[in-house]
Amino acid sequence: DQQVKQNSPSLSVQEGRISILNCDYTNSMFDYFLWYKKYPAEGPTFLISISSIKDKNEDGRFTVFLNKSAKHLSLHIVPSQPGDSAVYFCAASPKNTGFQKLVFGTGTRLLVSP
Amino acid sequence: GAGVSQSPSNKVTEKGKDVELRCDPISGHTALYWYRQRLGQGLEFLIYFQGNSAPDKSGLPSDRFSAERTGESVSTLTIQRTQQEDSAVYLCASSLGTDRRGDGYTFGSGTRLTVV
Repeated sequence: DQQVKQNSPSLSVQEGRISILNCDYTNSMFDYFLWYKKYPAEGPTFLISISSIKDKNEDGRFTVFLNKSAKHLSLHIVPSQPGDSAVYFCAASPKNTGFQKLVFGTGTRLLVSP
Repeated sequence: GAGVSQSPSNKVTEKGKDVELRCDPISGHTALYWYRQRLGQGLEFLIYFQGNSAPDKSGLPSDRFSAERTGESVSTLTIQRTQQEDSAVYLCASSLGTDRRGDGYTFGSGTRLTVV
């Protein structure tokens, strides 16, 4: 049972345009969400997070939006750069006990072409 | 060290053999986590250690899997009698403490285990 879903395995955008990566979740116990970026042969690195008490969090070119009623979050990258080409994982953390057990989606491979 | 170090980076083993994977966390990080990623899947939580507390082993898929950590340093993940479904990338992460909800995790580059 996939509690965190990233339905698009890949996404291609041109440099300078917006990249939008989507993530859906099913467990209403999740109250904290994160995006990680992963380059080949490296471990995932933390990118941005959002608490369920917010609907938006911004950090430079990266913005995460959370729609709790739809159990949906998205990551916007504006403007996209070739160095953003990587696999992006959405992750969720349940409230209270076990909050350290992140649940990850399967990832979306982003390719930004010059 | 500067980051989380995992060894070996690649391991090919025969079905039925035991394997041991090693993780050196960032010095001073009290929390340590093991995850694995099988082909086409997301990362799955396996186990986490926090200081001297009893580890949370709730993610270990079977009793063939075990992990140890010496104090707040090195951890080893052992898989006994490996099966083909154990083939995956095993990732270790560490953080300053469990008050950080994933923001402060530093992952190693993983061990790619292939069981043939």
